[in-house]
Amino acid sequence: DTGVSQDPRHKITKRGQNVTFRCDPISEHNRLYWYRQTLGQGPEFLTYFQNEAQLEKSRLLSDRFSAERPKGSFSTLEIQRTEQGDSAMYLCASSQGANEQFFGPGTRLTVL
Amino acid sequence: AQKVTQAQTEISVVEKEDVTLDCVYETRDTTYYLFWYKQPPSGELVFLIRRNSFDEQNEISGRYSWNFQKSTSSFNFTITASQVVDSAVYFCALSPRGSTGTASKLTFGTGTRLQVTL
Repeated sequence: DTGVSQDPRHKITKRGQNVTFRCDPISEHNRLYWYRQTLGQGPEFLTYFQNEAQLEKSRLLSDRFSAERPKGSFSTLEIQRTEQGDSAMYLCASSQGANEQFFGPGTRLTVL
Repeated sequence: AQKVTQAQTEISVVEKEDVTLDCVYETRDTTYYLFWYKQPPSGELVFLIRRNSFDEQNEISGRYSWNFQKSTSSFNFTITASQVVDSAVYFCALSPRGSTGTASKLTFGTGTRLQVTL
């Protein structure tokens, strides 16, 4: 098992464009989390899934953000009509039940 | 609402010194989990420890030790005989504990940057 993977690792886009990130959790982990981290801050929770069900969404997650986890395996996070304030590192983590969350390397988004 | 405070923004020590990273938390939950993660310069968060709120025993793992005091809402982390490889940003985090014993979303502090020099 190679851990949590995220793709792409870096994304540069122009304001107003849509972007989509992918996260592949550790196999058989039933929970998958998305966080956002800006420079000098700790990660902030965005949303999480148990299997394919999205159980909680942060108020930080505006209508421009949507996440899916079809079939309870990989997950995608889409940001529509990106804004400069969306520039951040987007982190994915997975866990099995109550156990610790294992984090991926992140996708760094830069919105010009 | 949950909150984690790491008042130390940056700490610099010389190798072999002991160093303690402070963490204070706020929560209205009666049961919860506390965590420490390490974020080295490479950027990937590395899990260090999880502590259940009703287990106040201190824990030691090699050069790392953790002191959990519920009375002061603190969960401090000590590195003994620090090494250059310990240089990283360290995050304390808090999660509610669900009725089935599951942890969920993490609330992180702002992190403490530790610089260990020769």
